[in-house]
Amino acid sequence: EVQLVQSGADVKKPGESLRISCKGSGYNFTSQWISWVRQMAGKGLEWMGKIDPSDSYIKYSPSFQGHVTISADKSISTAYLQWSSLKAADTAMYYCAREYGDDKWDYFDSWGQGTLVTVSS
Amino acid sequence: DIQMTQSPSSLSASVGDRVTITCRASQSINSYLNWYQQKPGKAPKLLIYAASSLQSGVPSRFSGSGSVTDFTLTISSLQPEDFATYYCHQSYTTPRTFGQGTKVEIK
Repeated sequence: EVQLVQSGADVKKPGESLRISCKGSGYNFTSQWISWVRQMAGKGLEWMGKIDPSDSYIKYSPSFQGHVTISADKSISTAYLQWSSLKAADTAMYYCAREYGDDKWDYFDSWGQGTLVTVSS
Repeated sequence: DIQMTQSPSSLSASVGDRVTITCRASQSINSYLNWYQQKPGKAPKLLIYAASSLQSGVPSRFSGSGSVTDFTLTISSLQPEDFATYYCHQSYTTPRTFGQGTKVEIK
């Protein structure tokens, strides 16, 4: 069974750094991209970017480029999303999702349970 | 970026009703259109991929249609567990984009 398990909720102060994680299991972690998706309270889904764990090639959404860093460690089947200096506006639920691709179609077939990040002074 | 516009933003329906949600892309996305269901406090769940292919394990009352720029998600007979928010999503190009969501509520 494909599973993505994310790190737990975190509360940080503005200006602090943070790295959240997403560990894959039940499949070859390097065979599919991992995306990160933001959902602010009561709002919709926003795609932040994705990483190919096989070579750590990354594509960012222009809306998030420069504000976050996506990385992965294929040796432990884990993808990361990190901030160097958090803002209150980063308060949101963050999901990782596996982007399954079958040589033609791509879709998010498995999702992590979400990590709630709260930034407050 | 490709903009995805869903309509309506919300709807009220009764158990047994036929429900239709539409999604329009700002440019052609072929059939690279997926639909997700999200319940409160839960991660989204894939329902339909490639515009009309039913994900394994998803009830057959869910169906998708459309191509190019106009797409539809249909629930043929609404069940109590279907009250949720539904999102369309294009995987034609990056950045990936989602519709704003359609909340299906109990009438």
